[in-house]
Amino acid sequence: GIQVEQSPPDLILQEGANSTLRCNFSDSVNNLQWFHQNPWGQLINLFYIPSGTKQNGRLSATTVATERYSLLYISSSQTTDSGVYFCAGAIQGAQKLVFGQGTRLTINP
Amino acid sequence: DGGITQSPKYLFRKEGQNVTLSCEQNLNHDAMYWYRQDPGQGLRLIYYSQIVNDFQKGDIAEGYSVSREKKESFPLTVTSAQKNPTAFYLCASSGTGGQQYFGPGTRLTVT
Repeated sequence: GIQVEQSPPDLILQEGANSTLRCNFSDSVNNLQWFHQNPWGQLINLFYIPSGTKQNGRLSATTVATERYSLLYISSSQTTDSGVYFCAGAIQGAQKLVFGQGTRLTINP
Repeated sequence: DGGITQSPKYLFRKEGQNVTLSCEQNLNHDAMYWYRQDPGQGLRLIYYSQIVNDFQKGDIAEGYSVSREKKESFPLTVTSAQKNPTAFYLCASSGTGGQQYFGPGTRLTVT
């Protein structure tokens, strides 16, 4: 099956800083998604981004499908951005998402 | 309110007992999924169902069973055969676009 590698595994920043999270896939994927898991465990959809670039407020994501990676940008970080960020994708024709191990982001006031 | 509900939020069981976790969605999604998450880890797929009365094993199906008798409901039973059942269990659903939406999860502790 496909392997999903996220980096960095941990990131600690001060409020107001910008950050870039990366997700690499071992094979071509579709259904590429980014999620934020809050401290209570809930997974929140951030982006559904098989290719291209999308923006939502302070967050944006870019997927370069031909090079099998995706990036999540967080600008002007707030303490509420803390949590674990996961990317996930499925191989062509499948609905089974494979998740990375996550990036744990801590934003200090 | 449209969404996915899971109950209970916390569940405690003695070893050797079967336990059933509930998952309901009112998003009119055809596909539903069960994932397991262990501390500090990503999500692993247990079972998924793309249509009523049909389901497939995921990557870690041993010790679990599911049913899909209604479109809205996809209960997961953790059987006594599951060697390490203590975990956080997440249910999700998706429509034709493939984007998955998650419920709030159930934390199961077996002692």
